[in-house]
Amino acid sequence: QQQVKQSPQSLIVQKGGISIINCAYENTAFDYFPWYQQFPGKGPALLIAIRPDVSEKKEGRFTISFNKSAKQFSLHIMDSQPGDSATYFCAAVKAAGNKLTFGGGTRVLVKP
Amino acid sequence: DAMVIQNPRYQVTQFGKPVTLSCSQTLNHNVMYWYQQKSSQAPKLLFHYYDKDFNNEADTPDNFQSRRPNTSFCFLDIRSPGLGDAAMYLCATSRAYSTDTQYFGPGTRLTVL
Repeated sequence: QQQVKQSPQSLIVQKGGISIINCAYENTAFDYFPWYQQFPGKGPALLIAIRPDVSEKKEGRFTISFNKSAKQFSLHIMDSQPGDSATYFCAAVKAAGNKLTFGGGTRVLVKP
Repeated sequence: DAMVIQNPRYQVTQFGKPVTLSCSQTLNHNVMYWYQQKSSQAPKLLFHYYDKDFNNEADTPDNFQSRRPNTSFCFLDIRSPGLGDAAMYLCATSRAYSTDTQYFGPGTRLTVL
């Protein structure tokens, strides 16, 4: 049973465009939602994270939108750059622990 | 300035030949994790330590074991690697068991021949 569903599996966007990745979760015990960015041959790195008491968080070109009632959250990459080409994982964490429940990942390719 | 270091970066072993992967951290974090990541999949948690308190995920095969001799080092032992164990193995650390950020190492790519 996949607790965090992520879509799309892959995404191609032109340089300067907007990349949008969506995630949905089922367990209301999750209360922290990080996004990780992973380049080929590297470990994942925290990109941005949000808690459910906030509907939006922005850091530079990266924005998380969070809809608590729908149990959905999304990552928007504005002005996408070729250097953003990577695999992005959404994740969810329960308050009582620090286990990352990952989504399936989205491979983003930004074409110059 | 590497914070989570994994050695070796690439490991080739033969079917059934034991292998040990190592992880060290300079962050002085209490928690260390081992993940297995297969191609085009999300990382899958194998086990984690809070200090020396070991926690095994229910679906981690018995073939996988771990040791944490001190705060800085953690080892993953695969007793009898099978072809299905070929994967990237990621080590991560976090300060505590809250929602603290997990810092991942670069991973060890394991090939089983």
